[in-house]
Amino acid sequence: EAGVAQSPRYKIIEKRQSVAFWCNPISGHATLYWYQQILGQGPKLLIQFQNNGVVDDSQLPKDRFSAERLKGVDSTLKIQPAKLEDSAVYLCASSLATGAGEQYFGPGTRLTVT
Amino acid sequence: SQQGEEDPQALSIQEGENATMNCSYKTSINNLQWYRQNSGRGLVHLILIRSNEREKHSGRLRVTLDTSKKSSSLLITASRAADTASYFCATDSNYQLIWGAGTKLIIKP
Repeated sequence: EAGVAQSPRYKIIEKRQSVAFWCNPISGHATLYWYQQILGQGPKLLIQFQNNGVVDDSQLPKDRFSAERLKGVDSTLKIQPAKLEDSAVYLCASSLATGAGEQYFGPGTRLTVT
Repeated sequence: SQQGEEDPQALSIQEGENATMNCSYKTSINNLQWYRQNSGRGLVHLILIRSNEREKHSGRLRVTLDTSKKSSSLLITASRAADTASYFCATDSNYQLIWGAGTKLIIKP
């Protein structure tokens, strides 16, 4: 089966610019996650969707980050405006259902903010 | 918030040796999962152990869970160069995974 797809793989922007990431989960997976992984750290959950509804966005910096999952399939994560500390790898994952079973990860988008 | 803490932070062993990594966590859990991350294959699920299980095997991997001590260990037997990666434990305590900072494992030829 096809895995989780993400694009772009790399992005370099200047601070205060905006950026968007796209994720296509594994077909049939109801739950989609966006994580931020800073170098040397484990992933930090930003937002979790169940179909097209938000389950948890408690760690999403809502003043600058937004995410949507229209039609319960693809998802986009946006940062506007970006800060230097947003430099990280943004990982998208999906799972069959909410319940924290096995998660399947995409290759990630490496964001560098200069 | 960080729930799991892996120990050691880094580990370097000879190919063929066994590697043991430990994870400690703070709150009660539904399950604990181990993942591997390397540059080639990204973040990949290795094994899940439920709170009512004490030991689980998958190929060369052996995971133990001690809920009384809030700790888990991952043993990789007969290590190979391809095992070079970072290993993360992730705990599910409220249907959300909380991740540690990982153990960086290097297998020397």
